[in-house]
Amino acid sequence: AQSVTQLGSHVSVSEGALVLLRCNYSSSVPPYLFWYVQYPNQGLQLLLKYTSAATLVKGINGFEAEFKKSETSFHLTKPSAHMSDAAEYFCAVSGYYNNNDMRFGAGTRLTVKP
Amino acid sequence: ETGVTQTPRHLVMGMTNKKSLKCEQHLGHNAMYWYKQSAKKPLELMFVYSLEERVENNSVPSRFSPECPNSSHLFLHLHTLQPEDSALYLCASSQRQGVYNEQFFGPGTRLTVL
Repeated sequence: AQSVTQLGSHVSVSEGALVLLRCNYSSSVPPYLFWYVQYPNQGLQLLLKYTSAATLVKGINGFEAEFKKSETSFHLTKPSAHMSDAAEYFCAVSGYYNNNDMRFGAGTRLTVKP
Repeated sequence: ETGVTQTPRHLVMGMTNKKSLKCEQHLGHNAMYWYKQSAKKPLELMFVYSLEERVENNSVPSRFSPECPNSSHLFLHLHTLQPEDSALYLCASSQRQGVYNEQFFGPGTRLTVL
């Protein structure tokens, strides 16, 4: 079985500051990891995914995440926050063989201050 | 229309009503999903259909009844719901089941049960 834990339900940064959203996973099989973003009144949009190729994954809108097996982590970062980054971010994990069993974290709401 | 659409966007119903949520995907995908998103809780997978056959039912109460008449349409029939069923219901689709296939989400239906 897989699960993810997102540390911090709410993160606030200033515009131009580093964004760091934390995600730790638990999986009994090689995991596949995802970050999704949800803007108000919209569905989830895939930011990036790790599928056992490169451990540093680059996504859309300048976001990237690094898979660290030793730390069971998949933290999301962006060097410089923009006001348009304000949204809810979800980390998700699925097992190698079963995408149906995708488990999502509780989400982290990112606020960007001017 | 492009992507994944859901109607209605908002629904208020009493506990004795019967209503249906509709999802349509315009992406040529073969798998469709229903998720429940409640405040402060992780996204919950409810149902999965692949090639119009239900392949996953995550112990969802029988007051929720899915229907997938073809690969482009997915319905969620609702009857005798409870107030705790109030949530955002998200539909998603993917090219097929499988971990490499990104799930594309619709904007959701905000359901309120009085």
